[in-house]
Amino acid sequence: TQLLEQSPQFLSIQEGENLTVYCNSSSVFSSLQWYRQEPGEGPVLLVTVVTGGEVKKLKRLTFQFGDARKDSSLHITAAQPGDTGLYLCAGAVGGADGLTFGKGTHLIIQP
Amino acid sequence: EAQVTQNPRYLITVTGKKLTVTCSQNMNHEYMSWYRQDPGLGLRQIYYSMNVEVTDKGDVPEGYKVSRKEKRNFPLILESPSPNQTSLYFCASSLGGTNPGVGPTYGYTFGSGTRLTVV
Repeated sequence: TQLLEQSPQFLSIQEGENLTVYCNSSSVFSSLQWYRQEPGEGPVLLVTVVTGGEVKKLKRLTFQFGDARKDSSLHITAAQPGDTGLYLCAGAVGGADGLTFGKGTHLIIQP
Repeated sequence: EAQVTQNPRYLITVTGKKLTVTCSQNMNHEYMSWYRQDPGLGLRQIYYSMNVEVTDKGDVPEGYKVSRKEKRNFPLILESPSPNQTSLYFCASSLGGTNPGVGPTYGYTFGSGTRLTVV
């Protein structure tokens, strides 16, 4: 089992601030994904990164895949209350393996 | 609408009474998977399937069975449920990898979840 560690576990900040959450592993992943989950619902895919060093932007969200494909970060600029949720990273080793999920970062953006 | 449909959304049952949670996807996806989500433990994979008649164990398969007789359906079976199987269950599907051997790089589409309580 490949372990993905996310940090911080909990984060509460004011609207308008910037933040970064991290996803780290000792394993090399063929791809890494970020999901956002709201209470009582299934996770929703935000982005998939495949190439080491890759950077993807989704409006105010910036995702980066580490050069060695062992870690990733999610940066949110000017956070808004609608960004509140559980952010999950998930890695795929490839072949027949499914996805391994981190435990997530609980993010609260206060108005 | 492209979606993964799970039923039921909520289920309370008694120990030992066999149950099936259904999962169906309308996207012609090859990969399908079952996860359970527990506080402090996150999402853990139970079983996954690469295609029809191809299934494999995930990280926590004990006490569960699956089958993949058709591409669109992937039911989760609990032959003799126990209280430690009380959890929030998610079915997910994926188109698959962009290249052979690179896993579900397209990402998973999740169902809305089934909250199971075993008393």
